[in-house]
Amino acid sequence: AQSVAQPEDQVNVAEGNPLTVKCTYSVSGNPYLFWYVQYPNRGLQFLLKYITGDNLVKGSYGFEAEFNKSQTSFHLKKPSALVSDSALYFCAVRDYNAGNMLTFGGGTRLMVKP
Amino acid sequence: GAGVSQTPSNKVTEKGKYVELRCDPISGHTALYWYRQSLGQGPEFLIYFQGTGAADDSGLPNDRFFAVRPEGSVSTLKIQRTERGDSAVYLCASSLGLDEQFFGPGTRLTVL
Repeated sequence: AQSVAQPEDQVNVAEGNPLTVKCTYSVSGNPYLFWYVQYPNRGLQFLLKYITGDNLVKGSYGFEAEFNKSQTSFHLKKPSALVSDSALYFCAVRDYNAGNMLTFGGGTRLMVKP
Repeated sequence: GAGVSQTPSNKVTEKGKYVELRCDPISGHTALYWYRQSLGQGPEFLIYFQGTGAADDSGLPNDRFFAVRPEGSVSTLKIQRTERGDSAVYLCASSLGLDEQFFGPGTRLTVL
């Protein structure tokens, strides 16, 4: 069975500071990893994905994530946070050998203060 | 082009009633997925279609839940004898093959 853990319910950061939202995963096969963002009363928006290749993945709105196989982590990062980045962030994993379903973490609320 | 659309955006029903939730995927996307998101949680997988057939329905909680995709495009999630515990946001997503999934805005179902 595959699983995702987002250990922080909320992350607070000042505008202009770097941000990190943590994610660890567990799969039996090779992982496909995703980050999605959810704004109030809206659906999930795709940010970035790791399938294979470079461990540092760049995505939308200046976000990036680093795949670390030994630590089974896929932390989301951004060098300089914006107030408009405040939202709910979800990490998800798909096991290459276990079908197309995504398993999501519980989400982390990012609050960027001016 | 248009994204994934879902109707209705909100549905309030009484316990024991039958409801249908509709999803219109991105044109050309062969794969369609249903997820359920309860308050304060991440989405949970319900069912996945590849074309017209359900390729994986392992996430459906019980036999009150059923979904169809008769022509390989629009899908309907059907819930019989609704219970208060069915209250959640039901999300639909579509993808081109095994690529990233694009989500609709969801249908908020409230069972009174």
